[in-house]
Amino acid sequence: GENVEQHPSTLSVQEGDSAVIKCTYSDSASNYFPWYKQELGKRPQLIIDIRSNVGEKKDQRIAVTLNKTAKHFSLHITETQPEDSAVYFCAASGGGGADGLTFGKGTHLIIQP
Amino acid sequence: DSGVTQTPKHLITATGQRVTLRCSPRSGDLSVYWYQQSLDQGLQFLIQYYNGEERAKGNILERFSAQQFPDLHSELNLSSLELGDSALYFCASSANTYEQFFGPGTRLTVL
Repeated sequence: GENVEQHPSTLSVQEGDSAVIKCTYSDSASNYFPWYKQELGKRPQLIIDIRSNVGEKKDQRIAVTLNKTAKHFSLHITETQPEDSAVYFCAASGGGGADGLTFGKGTHLIIQP
Repeated sequence: DSGVTQTPKHLITATGQRVTLRCSPRSGDLSVYWYQQSLDQGLQFLIQYYNGEERAKGNILERFSAQQFPDLHSELNLSSLELGDSALYFCASSANTYEQFFGPGTRLTVL
């Protein structure tokens, strides 16, 4: 089955700086890669996703890049703000709705004022 | 608010007991997914239903089962509960088989 590795497990950055979280996946058939943000005690919230036919996608201060050859994808957050503090999860799936998401272990992002 | 609802919010029970968790998907979504989140295992996919039929299985124990009803709500049944089953249980729904939107979760505590 699919295996998703996520690094780092904790990331501390100064407010206003950029943050990058990296994930690798094992199944070359995976074609859908979402990112979720989870605040303490709350539900995972979809913040951005990318499909395998696209190399990069941006939405305001967040962007995701995908390298299918190397089987890795990354989340980039620019101009970080205190409300960006949370746990971020990457995930992968085969798409088409035929399987669930395989999640990484999560990255605890801390924004230092 | 994702539009996905789950009940109950919290559940406290004893080992050996059986519980049922309920999920109502977003209006129009045909797919429902169940996930378990625990400190040691992280977020794990359990099972998916699509329009009433089981579509995919993940790391779901034999003591656990689920179903999706004609009105598209879903129930996750957990039986012979063990201490290690204590976790947050999320359901998610999807309309287009890609984006999954999570409900608020049910926190299960087994004593």
